Amino acid sequence: KQEVTQIPAALSVPEGENLVLNCSFTDSAIYNLQWFRQDPGKGLTSLLLIQSSQREQTSGRLNASLDKSSGRSTLYIAASQPGDSATYLCAVKGAGKLIFGQGTTLQVKP
Amino acid sequence: GAVVSQHPSRVICKSGTSVKIECRSLDFQATTMFWYRQFPKQSLMLMATSNEGSKATYEQGVEKDKFLINHASLTLSTLTVTSAHPEDSSFYICSAEGDGTGELFFGEGSRLTVL
Repeated sequence: KQEVTQIPAALSVPEGENLVLNCSFTDSAIYNLQWFRQDPGKGLTSLLLIQSSQREQTSGRLNASLDKSSGRSTLYIAASQPGDSATYLCAVKGAGKLIFGQGTTLQVKP
Repeated sequence: GAVVSQHPSRVICKSGTSVKIECRSLDFQATTMFWYRQFPKQSLMLMATSNEGSKATYEQGVEKDKFLINHASLTLSTLTVTSAHPEDSSFYICSAEGDGTGELFFGEGSRLTVL
């Protein structure tokens, strides 16, 4: 059974810092891995999708990496801004289902 | 990216009534949609996979007679919470696979409060 873990559960940083969010999964037989952002009381916004054959994806200040063999992914946020404050969720897709981690709640202080 | 719309965003109902939540893919066709439930400060839990033109596939522990799912067209799936009780109060989110890459797009969510 696939299990997805995100560390840390919460993170508080001053504005301008670069930061890394971690995601690990137990079953390396995945189809893809997706990072999402969720604001309080809102739905999910897709940030980056990494296919199982890919190593990383970049979008603006965001960079996500995937090491399937070790069951790890990282989301790197450069030059963090207060508007980046949200909960970040990683999810892995395998056997038709998307399994979510518990999320990392990020607070960027001005 | 692809757009998924949910309606209503908030609903308050009395215990014992039924509530229907709609999930629409606005700019693409979705043969498969997914329904999730999220409790406060917790992650999303998959409830069921909705397949166009066939019965939904429910996850273990989810009552199919309680949570009725209908996927009548390639752009619309509905979740009906029947005989709602206060413990059904939660945030319900749907998703659909967009452009064949396997990327999932999510609706804005529907907050259900049962009094």
